Amino acid sequence: NAGVTQTPKFRILKIGQSMTLQCAQDMNHNYMYWYRQDPGMGLKLIYYSVGAGITDKGEVPNGYNVSRSTTEDFPLRLELAAPSQTSVYFCASSFPRGRSGLHSYEQYFGPGTRLTVT
Amino acid sequence: TQLLEQSPQFLSIQEGENLTVYCNSSSVFSSLQWYRQEPGEGPVLLVTVVTGGEVKKLKRLTFQFGDARKDSSLHITAAQPGDTGLYLCAVQSPPHYQLIWGAGTKLIIKP
Repeated sequence: NAGVTQTPKFRILKIGQSMTLQCAQDMNHNYMYWYRQDPGMGLKLIYYSVGAGITDKGEVPNGYNVSRSTTEDFPLRLELAAPSQTSVYFCASSFPRGRSGLHSYEQYFGPGTRLTVT
Repeated sequence: TQLLEQSPQFLSIQEGENLTVYCNSSSVFSSLQWYRQEPGEGPVLLVTVVTGGEVKKLKRLTFQFGDARKDSSLHITAAQPGDTGLYLCAVQSPPHYQLIWGAGTKLIIKP
């Protein structure tokens, strides 16, 4: 299994340009997530999906869009890039794992996409 | 203010020393996860703690969940350069168990 894959690894965009960050997982996970990580700020959830055809906003969704047409793929779209979107973007996936009535959802991460908007 | 406060933000020590990093909150959680992130990579799960007072060991790493399930600590014994990385704690948030993250402790172990 390749796990979670992301493309591209690096990208430089000009202000106002658009792009799609690709994410795919081959673990048959139901849940998928997009995060951004800024220096010293930890990870912030942008969007997530609990299954094909279902998406929901996270903590910082403005300026982004997602779709989930298949279990495997969860692309993130930036329509009008702004300098504030300069960050490292991580895609992750997980599945429910029950134990003694409690649920522990380990997340598996891709290697990230480093995006710079100038 | 962040839901999860991690301290210290940065720690640089010599190989062989012991260290403890903390993850604190005023909220109660059903479980808490610790991840390690190496430069240029995504976070990788180290452990999940579930029960108040629980202690879990992973080789030289010891994780403890506070009795009241509001805080957690990670203790590393005889740190090695391979322990270098960003240590992140995270908790699950309803309704779909998405994770909320602390800002992390950046750990550097010098040979």
